Amino acid sequence: DTAVSQTPKYLVTQMGNDKSIKCEQNLGHDTMYWYKQDSKKFLKIMFSYNNKELIINETVPNRFSPKSPDKAHLNLHINSLELGDSAVYFCASSQVRGLADEQFFGPGTRLTVL
Amino acid sequence: AQSVSQHNHHVILSEAASLELGCNYSYGGTVNLFWYVQYPGQHLQLLLKYFSGDPLVKGIKGFEAEFIKSKFSFNLRKPSVQWSDTAEYFCAVNAQSGTYKYIFGTGTRLKVLA
Repeated sequence: DTAVSQTPKYLVTQMGNDKSIKCEQNLGHDTMYWYKQDSKKFLKIMFSYNNKELIINETVPNRFSPKSPDKAHLNLHINSLELGDSAVYFCASSQVRGLADEQFFGPGTRLTVL
Repeated sequence: AQSVSQHNHHVILSEAASLELGCNYSYGGTVNLFWYVQYPGQHLQLLLKYFSGDPLVKGIKGFEAEFIKSKFSFNLRKPSVQWSDTAEYFCAVNAQSGTYKYIFGTGTRLKVLA
């Protein structure tokens, strides 16, 4: 069984469109994250939710809006897509917030904005 | 602010060579330290982590890392690399306070020649 899954795996879209990426974890974890990995492989946290509550919100344009309907899901909606949004977006989860907990990553969603 | 630096961006080794990847962090308090690996086309997976205790930690696939507090370092080592170790390696730090936000290094791309 897949621990952390993301859909879609690839997303190609035009500038100005709105798109969503879905993430689900079946590990029973309390905390979920969204990361952006740019073309240079730099991995930067965007958001973190703990039990549906937003706990980390980095300086991300407000075109990006995370939504957590329950603690097993954390979706990412992006409005008015721009060229610079092209990247791989990874969802992750961990058992509890912080400490030495390992993060479990999803397979990533490669977003290409044309 | 926390930061993590990985000095080697690209490393090329022959099989059976020894590996050491550098990782330094800046944070004055207590930290948890991690090494993650990203094989080509795959998601990030945990190699090993340090939380407390013995500063020499052993991970999967023969990897180990040593936490040297006085040097703010957590270097990754493997005595003899294999072609299958070709991947991107990320060091990460998580402070034991505040928002428990993971900070990732910029990654080191390792290529092992058969």
